[in-house]
Amino acid sequence: NAGVTQTPKFRILKIGQSMTLQCTQDMNHNYMYWYRQDPGMGLKLIYYSVGAGITDKGEVPNGYNVSRSTTEDFPLRLELAAPSQTSVYFCASSYRSAGRSGANVLTFGAGSRLTVL
Amino acid sequence: ILNVEQSPQSLHVQEGDSTNFTCSFPSSNFYALHWYRWETAKSPEALFVMTLNGDEKKKGRISATLNTKEGYSYLYIKGSQPEDSATYLCAFKRANYQLIWGAGTKLIIKP
Repeated sequence: NAGVTQTPKFRILKIGQSMTLQCTQDMNHNYMYWYRQDPGMGLKLIYYSVGAGITDKGEVPNGYNVSRSTTEDFPLRLELAAPSQTSVYFCASSYRSAGRSGANVLTFGAGSRLTVL
Repeated sequence: ILNVEQSPQSLHVQEGDSTNFTCSFPSSNFYALHWYRWETAKSPEALFVMTLNGDEKKKGRISATLNTKEGYSYLYIKGSQPEDSATYLCAFKRANYQLIWGAGTKLIIKP
């Protein structure tokens, strides 16, 4: 059982380049999330999905796009990379929403460190 | 704007000592409070999900309390060990909204 798998672990991009961060989970979780983590800040939600075919913006969606064609996969696309997108990105998944029930906790991927120069 | 504050930002503790730190969150429209442990070069892992005022949760030497009326949660570590070194994250949830995360408390255990 692999949990949440993110690729790549590290990437350096030039300004204006595009790339996709891949995320897949094998736990049949219906909720999936993309966060970014910047030094001294809490995790910021970029996009989330409550199920295949449904995506919603989080706090900081500008410059990113997502899709959810299957329950397992939730890729994050950066279309025109900017230095402000230098960050560590985490994909996570959960059953339903991360809410009251103790079972609905987030399972995180290992993170992807992206540098835009 | 909803803020989740964690204090202190970092903490050095001697091995064997006990310690605690705080997560402060808005006291209105409370739904749940999550604690996660994040070791360097690994992914955050869930410790506790707390939902009721007065909740106390325990996992080994780590425990947490919750006060939803005044908007805070304490995380306690008894008899700190080097493997407890990590960043401890809390996240607050209102109903029908996504989690709001604190910046974390970085705990360093000195042998």
